[in-house]
Amino acid sequence: AQTVTQSQPEMSVQEAETVTLSCTYDTSENNYYLFWYKQPPSRQMILVIRQEAYKQQNATENRFSVNFQKAAKSFSLKISDSQLGDTAMYFCAFMKGWGAQKLVFGQGTRLTINP
Amino acid sequence: GAGVSQSPSNKVTEKGKDVELRCDPISGHTALYWYRQSLGQGLEFLIYFQGNSAPDKSGLPSDRFSAERTGGSVSTLTIQRTQQEDSAVYLCASSELVGLVHGSGEQYFGPGTRLTVT
Repeated sequence: AQTVTQSQPEMSVQEAETVTLSCTYDTSENNYYLFWYKQPPSRQMILVIRQEAYKQQNATENRFSVNFQKAAKSFSLKISDSQLGDTAMYFCAFMKGWGAQKLVFGQGTRLTINP
Repeated sequence: GAGVSQSPSNKVTEKGKDVELRCDPISGHTALYWYRQSLGQGLEFLIYFQGNSAPDKSGLPSDRFSAERTGGSVSTLTIQRTQQEDSAVYLCASSELVGLVHGSGEQYFGPGTRLTVT
């Protein structure tokens, strides 16, 4: 079974700062996908970024980038120039690259951006 | 276009009653997922549909939980004889394509149904 661990229950930074959220996972699969989802108070889960395990290049989406270390099974999210609207719960998630593609989530990190 | 919708948004029910939660996926999405989000257990997978069939029901916590999907579209999650531990937010997601190695479809989530069992 796959497990995903987020070791930072809460984080808080000032607006415009850079923040990195940690995620580690455990799997014996070779083909898989990793995701970061954002959940603001509205409860709507929003995909922030995804990474295919077969790709060595780290994914980037505007101010969001990941540091994917496959051998270490680490998948951290970096948010640059943080904005007040980035305040939310962030979940790291794992998906097998085949078969039933359910998401396995970490426990989440509550991120607060302060003005 | 419209996203995933869920109804009701909030549901308060008495212990022992049955409840039905509805999910309308994005049109054309063949895969549909139910997850549960609770304080104690975090985000848990419940069941997955590909079309109208459910190849993975492994996350359903007990036989009080069941789900169906009709016409490859709307899905209903039914909880019978609700218990207080069923209180949670129930999230539905849909995706466009489920396939082999490179067929991973992004999952789009609905706003969830908050269930409170008193």
